[in-house]
Amino acid sequence: SQQGEEDPQALSIQEGENATMNCSYKTSINNLQWYRQNSGRGLVHLILIRSNEREKHSGRLRVTLDTSKKSSSLLITASRAADTASYFCATVDSGAGSYQLTFGKGTKLSVIP
Amino acid sequence: DGGITQSPKYLFRKEGQNVTLSCEQNLNHDAMYWYRQDPGQGLRLIYYSQIVNDFQKGDIAEGYSVSREKKESFPLTVTSAQKNPTAFYLCASSGMGELFFGEGSRLTVL
Repeated sequence: SQQGEEDPQALSIQEGENATMNCSYKTSINNLQWYRQNSGRGLVHLILIRSNEREKHSGRLRVTLDTSKKSSSLLITASRAADTASYFCATVDSGAGSYQLTFGKGTKLSVIP
Repeated sequence: DGGITQSPKYLFRKEGQNVTLSCEQNLNHDAMYWYRQDPGQGLRLIYYSQIVNDFQKGDIAEGYSVSREKKESFPLTVTSAQKNPTAFYLCASSGMGELFFGEGSRLTVL
């Protein structure tokens, strides 16, 4: 079952602009993670935010988590053409007996030089 | 270099044939996973293993089989019972929370 739903499905911006992607989920979570996938490649972990955290930064990335709204956002500042990729959120349910991630369908980001 | 190696990268299969996708990791991770990705879709969990000689079905295990005889290896067999096997298959492992992925294997049924 897919829990995370990213929004928008696709996003096209100019280089230098900021990109914001959103993720909504349905159940209580232990943590939420964001991954990046270049076309035809494997996924790369970007950032993990725990359920008791509200905001986290890593370089040009900023992730927020609102557990009351069951939503998260990923902000990429000063985007570059190399940021062109699909971005997925993934959740770990708090009630899960094992460590399983449930992925959304992703946001396809295109950064135009 | 530490990481996950999947092979082959591309694989073609005739209907009715079983195929096995290889996944090897040298990260010393206990947990390993197999995901399937269809175009424009997210990842769906096929099987996972938290320890050697033990594995669990994921959301879409029908038509697939796995083994975990060694900590480093978690091969996936796509059997002839899988009705729509054409997809991109991703193997991953985890230690402390995040997943590390291989580069994927693209299977096409002719």
